[in-house]
Amino acid sequence: GESVGLHLPTLSVQEGDNSIINCAYSNSASDYFIWYKQESGKGPQFIIDIRSNMDKRQGQRVTVLLNKTVKHLSLQIAATQPGDSAVYFCAEGDYGGSQGNLIFGKGTKLSVKP
Amino acid sequence: ETGVTQTPRHLVMGMTNKKSLKCEQHLGHNAMYWYKQSAKKPLELMFVYSLEERVENNSVPSRFSPECPNSSHLFLHLHTLQPEDSALYLCASYQTGTGGGYTFGSGTRLTVV
Repeated sequence: GESVGLHLPTLSVQEGDNSIINCAYSNSASDYFIWYKQESGKGPQFIIDIRSNMDKRQGQRVTVLLNKTVKHLSLQIAATQPGDSAVYFCAEGDYGGSQGNLIFGKGTKLSVKP
Repeated sequence: ETGVTQTPRHLVMGMTNKKSLKCEQHLGHNAMYWYKQSAKKPLELMFVYSLEERVENNSVPSRFSPECPNSSHLFLHLHTLQPEDSALYLCASYQTGTGGGYTFGSGTRLTVV
């Protein structure tokens, strides 16, 4: 039979606009959340993290928002640039876990139009 | 470079071959991981090593055999693979309880023919 690839949600934005990438996580006991960026041909790269005692955290041009009530995580990228084009993954886990195992989402592909 | 180095970057092997993937981390982390990333599924955890002991084997077929000789090195030995094993194999390391997420290597793109 025909093989089917993993169809990632895609977000297309204009250069200079703000991007918002969303993620629904599964485990209400998770207390640690991370966003990763994966460019073509590379491994995932850490962007920003947040612990469950916070609902917002800001980095350089990025902001992560956490809504524990609805188990929702979002990544906001300000003034999106062509270099931001990549697949973005959210991950959830247990901050104090002995192995630190993370559960990864399927990813969202961000495409930035010049 | 992220501090986690994987070799080779690309590997093509036949179904009867035996090969090994290597991962080295220079970060002083105490946990290392193998993940599989394919076109059909999101990141799949394969093995976890904490303080050089395997603490998790996520129902991975025996044709994949990990080895962690010390806290800085991790290997994945491959034998009699199937075409569906073709994927990007990612190694990651982590210092438990410190945050900052995993640090990933760039992966080995494996093609089984």
